[in-house]
Amino acid sequence: GENVEQHPSTLSVQEGDSAVIKCTYSDSASNYFPWYKQELGKRPQLIIDIRSNVGEKKDQRIAVTLNKTAKHFSLHITETQPEDSAVYFCAASKRGITDKLIFGTGTRLQVFP
Amino acid sequence: EAGVTQFPSHSVIEKGQTVTLRCDPISGHDNLYWYRRVMGKEIKFLLHFVKESKQDESGMPNNRFLAERTGGTYSTLKVQPAELEDSGVYFCASSRGGRGFNSPLHFGNGTRLTVT
Repeated sequence: GENVEQHPSTLSVQEGDSAVIKCTYSDSASNYFPWYKQELGKRPQLIIDIRSNVGEKKDQRIAVTLNKTAKHFSLHITETQPEDSAVYFCAASKRGITDKLIFGTGTRLQVFP
Repeated sequence: EAGVTQFPSHSVIEKGQTVTLRCDPISGHDNLYWYRRVMGKEIKFLLHFVKESKQDESGMPNNRFLAERTGGTYSTLKVQPAELEDSGVYFCASSRGGRGFNSPLHFGNGTRLTVT
């Protein structure tokens, strides 16, 4: 079945530094790649997403890049702040065929002041 | 708009007992999903309702799990009898109808189930 691998599992950065989380998907038919942020005890919340016809998308301090050939996509957070600390999940799906999201295992990001 | 709500937030039961989790999706959302996260692992798909119909239940682990969505509104997920490996956080998510890109999933806070 379809699989999404996510690395690293934990990431610690100093406030102001950049953080990068990488994911690889197995199904070349995947065409939608959302990223969710889950703060402690709260619900996963969509922070950014990208479709397969776009190579990069940016929203303020966060950006996502997609390499369809290599089947991997990455989340970039610049100028990290302590409130960015959370677990981040990548996911992939085949919109138009199914809404089902296949998630990665999550990355626990800690931003130290 | 009110978000996806789940009840209870926590449940601790003994092996062999029954537990029923409830999810109220965002009003007007036809799509309802159940996911589960076992500690340290991925958020894993369980099943998908479109209104009251099961669209995809390929992720349901076994026949101890029963999901319903009577009337196409709230949904319940029953585990009977519960086993130790059922412990985890059960998330519900909903989205508007249609399979376009403009219907992102909205998650609930989850129910943390502990089977002892």
